[in-house]
Amino acid sequence: NAGVMQNPRHLVRRRGQEARLRCSPMKGHSHVYWYRQLPEEGLKFMVYLQKENIIDESGMPKERFSAEFPKEGPSILRIQQVVRGDSAAYFCASSPRTAYEQYFGPGTRLTVT
Amino acid sequence: DAKTTQPNSMESNEEEPVHLPCNHSTISGTDYIHWYRQLPSQGPEYVIHGLTSNVNNRMASLAIAEDRKSSTLILHRATLRDAAVYYCILRDRNNAGNMLTFGGGTRLMVKP
Repeated sequence: NAGVMQNPRHLVRRRGQEARLRCSPMKGHSHVYWYRQLPEEGLKFMVYLQKENIIDESGMPKERFSAEFPKEGPSILRIQQVVRGDSAAYFCASSPRTAYEQYFGPGTRLTVT
Repeated sequence: DAKTTQPNSMESNEEEPVHLPCNHSTISGTDYIHWYRQLPSQGPEYVIHGLTSNVNNRMASLAIAEDRKSSTLILHRATLRDAAVYYCILRDRNNAGNMLTFGGGTRLMVKP
């Protein structure tokens, strides 16, 4: 059973461009969580999705950030008009049901130049 | 979620046991105690969790105080691969689907 997959592993964007981060959960997992880890800081929750629904987006910045988890295909975290402060490691986690342990992917390291 | 307190860092010698403490004096009756770890440049990894009784799995043991206000993660024989940041996290079993709230964790250094 393959683990959580994230791609790309590294992404470089210039200020003002868009960043799209993809996450494929483990097989059979319908719950996806996104976390962000800023340099030298801890992991912070961003958003929790279940297939086609956003359940909790309390950690998402109000502007420029959006997330989706379509019926078919990976979950996408989209950052529009990136700024230098968006440079961070973005981790996706999945679980088979609510309140279960979460399995994390290797992360996408976003660098904004 | 209730708050946890962990030492910033700890050191251990390879092949010796390691006891990583966590204080959670405001824990509620419905909070599970979870432990995750993050190896360098990797995503966090689930280690173990428990509610009241001590728990063992292939990775570690979790010892929970009788009053549940503290717990200890035990690595029976530390290896260099166990060098990581260890996070103690409380999760309310009644708050289904809730996110993980990571604190600063304990950075474990393992000396050969």
